[in-house]
Amino acid sequence: KNEVEQSPQNLTAQEGEFITINCSYSVGISALHWLQQHPGGGIVSLFMLSSGKKKHGRLIATINIQEKHSSLHITASHPRDSAVYICAVGTSGSRLTFGEGTQLTVNP
Amino acid sequence: DAGVIQSPRHEVTEMGQEVTLRCKPISGHNSLFWYRQTMMRGLELLIYFNNNVPIDDSGMPEDRFSAKMPNASFSTLKIQPSEPRDSAVYFCASRQTSGRDNEQFFGPGTRLTVL
Repeated sequence: KNEVEQSPQNLTAQEGEFITINCSYSVGISALHWLQQHPGGGIVSLFMLSSGKKKHGRLIATINIQEKHSSLHITASHPRDSAVYICAVGTSGSRLTFGEGTQLTVNP
Repeated sequence: DAGVIQSPRHEVTEMGQEVTLRCKPISGHNSLFWYRQTMMRGLELLIYFNNNVPIDDSGMPEDRFSAKMPNASFSTLKIQPSEPRDSAVYFCASRQTSGRDNEQFFGPGTRLTVL
């Protein structure tokens, strides 16, 4: 069993839909990261959180430490949100362990 | 700031050749990370430095891989000799460890193909 598991692996949505991507982890963490990787390959850090909820524009990230679970929500999705979304957990020191990613496609 | 800079962006080489990947972190950042991304294994941490000192190199696959950080503004990842299974995208990232929201900033990556 991977230390970090994401679901779903692939997600197709229509423009405007509300999207949720889930991440579960099995180890103690210092922080959880959500990353976005566009088709060109560049990786952007969306959120780093250790408790509660963070919001940036149409993106919302939540974490439940007791349940070892995090969700990334996208409201009013748009085709430009199409990307791979990667969950990563920070464990000892600065080490990050990554999930396999969720491929999101938003159709116009 | 220009962000994390990596060079080259693409590298094609033949098996057995030495490959050197370069990274310039964001000015003022004191932690630097080297990652590898493949279809089979996804993103993996290879090594990271704090204040130019290697802290955790447990992700370095084998002795063919070595990384250095001679100063705060430059790091290299070297593969010698290279093998086809080293083909991957190699990302460098940096961050400032002080402060609360010390997220990592990724470079554009180097796509390495070993023939």
